[in-house]
Amino acid sequence: GAVVSQHPSRVICKSGTSVKIECRSLDFQATTMFWYRQFPKKSLMLMATSNEGSKATYEQGVEKDKFLINHASLTLSTLTVTSAHPEDSSFYICSARGEHPGIPLHFGNGTRLTVT
Amino acid sequence: SQQGEEDPQALSIQEGENATMNCSYKTSINNLQWYRQNSGRGLVHLILIRSNEREKHSGRLRVTLDTSKKSSSLLITASRAADTASYFCATGAWGGSEKLVFGKGTKLTVNP
Repeated sequence: GAVVSQHPSRVICKSGTSVKIECRSLDFQATTMFWYRQFPKKSLMLMATSNEGSKATYEQGVEKDKFLINHASLTLSTLTVTSAHPEDSSFYICSARGEHPGIPLHFGNGTRLTVT
Repeated sequence: SQQGEEDPQALSIQEGENATMNCSYKTSINNLQWYRQNSGRGLVHLILIRSNEREKHSGRLRVTLDTSKKSSSLLITASRAADTASYFCATGAWGGSEKLVFGKGTKLTVNP
């Protein structure tokens, strides 16, 4: 089945630094990927929709200059948390649409970001 | 904005028992999906039910959808310890959008 790989699974960084999270579709081309953020014991909140070759579409309240998304190829989207602060600590999950339009989406295993 | 709301927030049962989780939503939907998340992991798709369907089965899973009440239920029969996880409902809107709006989830614990 379709597999989405997310890397790294865990990252700890210092305040003020930037962190890049990668989301790869391993055996299919993903023209659209989604980035979610999940707080402890909470639901997933959609941050942005990443489209290959074009600018990402951000949800209301998500700072696009803070959370940079690049979808440079059909198999890779990256989320960069810039100038990270402790409040950015969270679980970030990506998902990708498979080759055949529609649902369900395939999810990565998530990245646990801790900003100290 | 938050769409689905699951209840209960947490559910603890014994192996072999059935587990029922409910989800309510607020707006018109094209489909509703249930996902499972093991602690600290990504989501695994379980089942999708479209707005014109009322019930769907997949193995030990049974999902119902009542669009008049804007609610859905997920039943896991003959539960196993390995079913321990958080379960989320997610709604998909009309217009072909694949943006999913997730509920808060139900944390299910199946005790051996």
